[in-house]
Amino acid sequence: GENVEQHPSTLSVQEGDSAVIKCTYSDSASNYFPWYKQELGKRPQLIIDIRSNVGEKKDQRIAVTLNKTAKHFSLHITETQPEDSAVYFCAARPGGGNKLTFGTGTQLKVEL
Amino acid sequence: NAGVTQTPKFRILKIGQSMTLQCAQDMNHNYMYWYRQDPGMGLKLIYYSVGAGITDKGEVPNGYNVSRSTTEDFPLRLELAAPSQTSVYFCASSDSSGGNLDTQYFGPGTRLTVL
Repeated sequence: GENVEQHPSTLSVQEGDSAVIKCTYSDSASNYFPWYKQELGKRPQLIIDIRSNVGEKKDQRIAVTLNKTAKHFSLHITETQPEDSAVYFCAARPGGGNKLTFGTGTQLKVEL
Repeated sequence: NAGVTQTPKFRILKIGQSMTLQCAQDMNHNYMYWYRQDPGMGLKLIYYSVGAGITDKGEVPNGYNVSRSTTEDFPLRLELAAPSQTSVYFCASSDSSGGNLDTQYFGPGTRLTVL
């Protein structure tokens, strides 16, 4: 089955800096890659996603890039703010269904 | 729309007890899922359903059972609770129509402790 690895497990940045979280996947048939943000004690919420026919997608301060050849994708957050502090999860969906395999999460802390 | 709702929010069980975690959605989504989230870990899929009357195992189904008699409800049953089932359980749903199969919407979670 699909295996998703996520790095780093923790990330601390200064307010205004950029943050990058990276994920690799194993199944070359995976075709959908969402990113979820989970605040403490809350439910995961989708913040951005990308499909395998696209190399990059941007939404305001958040962007995701996908390298199908290398089987990795990354989340980029620019101009970080304290409210960006949360756990971020990447996921991959193998082709032919809608089951997601999640990474183990990255705890992002934005310091003032 | 209330979205995806779960009850209870918290529960403490004794080893060997049984319980049902409730999940409901009012978005007319045909796909529903149960995940567990252990501390410091990602979400692991327990069971999922592609429509009423159809369920299938996910990555970690042992010790759990599900049923899907209606589009709206997808309860998760623990028959003989074990400490290893201490976790936060999330229900999610998604819609396969209109090419929007991808986005999964999560409920608020149930925090279960087995002692």
